[in-house]
Amino acid sequence: GESVGLHLPTLSVQEGDNSIINCAYSNSASDYFIWYKQESGKGPQFIIDIRSNMDKRQGQRVTVLLNKTVKHLSLQIAATQPGDSAVYFCAESSNTGNQFYFGTGTSLTVIP
Amino acid sequence: EPEVTQTPSHQVTQMGQEVILRCVPISNHLYFYWYRQILGQKVEFLVSFYNNEISEKSEIFDDQFSVERPDGSNFTLKIRSTKLEDSAMYFCASSQGVRNTIYFGEGSWLTVV
Repeated sequence: GESVGLHLPTLSVQEGDNSIINCAYSNSASDYFIWYKQESGKGPQFIIDIRSNMDKRQGQRVTVLLNKTVKHLSLQIAATQPGDSAVYFCAESSNTGNQFYFGTGTSLTVIP
Repeated sequence: EPEVTQTPSHQVTQMGQEVILRCVPISNHLYFYWYRQILGQKVEFLVSFYNNEISEKSEIFDDQFSVERPDGSNFTLKIRSTKLEDSAMYFCASSQGVRNTIYFGEGSWLTVV
């Protein structure tokens, strides 16, 4: 099956700094990617998505970068706030199906 | 903002008992999903449902599992005879179309004892 994984399981950043969370995938047919944020005891919350015809997409304080050559995507959070503390998952989908495969998650802790 | 709602939020059941988890997807969405997350692990796909039938299922979704859309708003997951290893958070999700953003509910935490 597909493999979607994260480089680091935990990340600690100072409040106000920028955060970068990375994700690797192995399925070259993956063409749609979503970053989700999951707070403790809650469901995954959509943050931002990107399709494979793009290499960068920006939202409010968040940017997703996609490098299809090395099958890597990253989530950048600008001016990280305590409310950003959560587990972040990347999820990918390919044109072979409608399901999304999730990575194992990176736990982001923001230090006040 | 429309959201996916799930009930119950937490259920404790004895091994071997049947469990039904309920979901109300976002009203204009056409695709429905169940995912599960064992404590501390990643979110795993179980099944997708479209046009009143299963469109995809994972190897986790064996004969003990079934899904149903009993009316125009609810989407249910039934586990026929629960096992200890079924203990997990079960998330319902929905999307407008195929390979569109999937929106998740808050989850139903199932504990099998």
